Amino acid sequence: AQSVTQPDIHITVSEGASLELRCNYSYGATPYLFWYVQSPGQGLQLLLKYFSGDTLVQGIKGFEAEFKRSQSSFNLRKPSVHWSDAAEYFCAVGEGYSGGGADGLTFGKGTHLIIQP
Amino acid sequence: DAGVTQSPTHLIKTRGQQVTLRCSPKSGHDTVSWYQQALGQGPQFIFQYYEEEERQRGNFPDRFSGHQFPNYSSELNVNALLLGDSALYLCASSLPSNTEAFFGQGTRLTVV
Repeated sequence: AQSVTQPDIHITVSEGASLELRCNYSYGATPYLFWYVQSPGQGLQLLLKYFSGDTLVQGIKGFEAEFKRSQSSFNLRKPSVHWSDAAEYFCAVGEGYSGGGADGLTFGKGTHLIIQP
Repeated sequence: DAGVTQSPTHLIKTRGQQVTLRCSPKSGHDTVSWYQQALGQGPQFIFQYYEEEERQRGNFPDRFSGHQFPNYSSELNVNALLLGDSALYLCASSLPSNTEAFFGQGTRLTVV
């Protein structure tokens, strides 16, 4: 069974500083990996996704993530955070397209990002 | 484009009752998935509907059932509600040839 671990429950970063959120996955085949962001009381917004090809993927809002198969990791990074980045971040793994659209995703428990002024 | 819309936004039910939540997918999307997100947790996959049939199911009891209509909208039904069913219920839709799922704002269900 696939699983996702986000080791950091909370992370506090100063505005303007760099950010890295960790994600480790367990999956038998080549995974489809996603990072979503959730603001309070809101649904999930996709930041970026990895299916194949270049292991460094660029997303929206200046985020990027790197897929490292040897470490089973898909860490999210941003060079300079803004106060508006404060939110809950979820890493997810799925089997991707199998004839019926996106398969059901397995999510981590999330990392709560706090931005200090 | 209205995106994925869910109704109602909030709902309070009594233990033992039944509830129906509704989801309209993003325009052009024909696949709908439902997730349960307990407080402080990540979303958990309940099931997915495609071509009006359940094609995938997560580890949820039979009290959780669903339906997809010809216009691709979907309902999630939960019978015999338990206090532990209190959660944010998220609906996601996707295109048949794309793995990206778009999420709605969710329905906050409180069971008292």
